[in-house]
Amino acid sequence: SQQGEEDPQALSIQEGENATMNCSYKTSINNLQWYRQNSGRGLVHLILIRSNEREKHSGRLRVTLDTSKKSSSLLITASRAADTASYFCATDKGFQKLVFGTGTRLLVSP
Amino acid sequence: ETGVTQSPTHLIKTRGQQVTLRCSSQSGHNTVSWYQQALGQGPQFIFQYYREEENGRGNFPPRFSGLQFPNYSSELNVNALELDDSALYLCASSLAGTSQETQYFGPGTRLLVL
Repeated sequence: SQQGEEDPQALSIQEGENATMNCSYKTSINNLQWYRQNSGRGLVHLILIRSNEREKHSGRLRVTLDTSKKSSSLLITASRAADTASYFCATDKGFQKLVFGTGTRLLVSP
Repeated sequence: ETGVTQSPTHLIKTRGQQVTLRCSSQSGHNTVSWYQQALGQGPQFIFQYYREEENGRGNFPPRFSGLQFPNYSSELNVNALELDDSALYLCASSLAGTSQETQYFGPGTRLLVL
């Protein structure tokens, strides 16, 4: 079963705009990770945020984590057509057995 | 590229048959995890192998089994295939016992059961 859900299920924006995706989960975690998947292929790790962290940045990515609300958000700034993909959050209780959300499909149009 | 490879890339089987999928871990990694991703869904954890022993299993029946070899490569075996086993199967390697929690995924094997 899925750990949580992502919102929205699908997002369509123009190049240059920002994209925000949200993830909710159900149980306590050690860390939360975001992955990208292009066209049903392998997952690419984007960023990991630990349970004692509130915000993390990596290039154009900004991730926040609110453990009291059991939620996280991923912000992609200045989106590009190459960012078109499905994005998944995944939680880890510390044993490297990831529990994935349902994913957000992002479409960035030129 | 993550350094994790999987074979074959695509596979078609019929119901009741058996299948073996293979995964080669990233160099230096001692842990491999397998995930099943049905169409339109997020990946679901099948099981994990650490130093050739099963180290946790998700909600999958015993007909899903695995092996990890001394070189840390791995196999996923599925017996008595069912139509619902049609999915993308992903393996991920990692280095347990360190602060490096990131898992590196292979490109996946797409299995179609007819």
